Amino acid sequence: GENVGLHLPTLSVQEGDNSIINCAYSNSASDYFIWYKQESGKGPQFIIDIRSNMDKRQGQRVTVLLNKTVKHLSLQIAATQPGDSAVYFCAENGLYNTDKLIFGTGTRLQVFP
Amino acid sequence: GAVVSQHPSRVICKSGTSVKIECRSLDFQATTMFWYRQFPKQSLMLMATSNEGSKATYEQGVEKDKFLINHASLTLSTLTVTSAHPEDSSFYICSAELAGGLPTDTQYFGPGTRLTVL
Repeated sequence: GENVGLHLPTLSVQEGDNSIINCAYSNSASDYFIWYKQESGKGPQFIIDIRSNMDKRQGQRVTVLLNKTVKHLSLQIAATQPGDSAVYFCAENGLYNTDKLIFGTGTRLQVFP
Repeated sequence: GAVVSQHPSRVICKSGTSVKIECRSLDFQATTMFWYRQFPKQSLMLMATSNEGSKATYEQGVEKDKFLINHASLTLSTLTVTSAHPEDSSFYICSAELAGGLPTDTQYFGPGTRLTVL
């Protein structure tokens, strides 16, 4: 299935740089998208969400961009810090009339000093 | 607000025994809770949807007789792994849905339970 990965892609960035994590979602009918951060041995932590009637949403140091034409979601982290090191998952609400989330394969972000 | 806890955080058991994992919404009521399983370096896979006062809905390929779910109250759902085997060793994560009257409600995740079956 689309949410099972054999390995995690890794993005390595230097502290202070901006990070961009990308996600290709599966269902063109999805109307709600969320980015989660997961640290080792912990549960996912909500970062930011966006609905399909928007193409950009900003939070504190984070921005989510949605391109429905190509079914692409991105998470931008400004001034990346060591504490941002984690695995990041996108999730979509892809099933009509349910609250089920479909998770992407995840990207590991490593921040170097 | 919107804190979800899980107990235990870590459990080791012998093959053939049953293990119960609790998921609690601490400061809100959750009519719906979800149970996920996560293997190392993989994503979260939904196992079942737990609705208070009714039977859980299981995803395809998940054995309902092996993974028993009980959602007895608006703040507690339990997952029991029956006759556990080493292949059931995994990270089990629950989430609770904060109902806000929106078409899609926000899920808040618990910290996970690491199950190791010897």
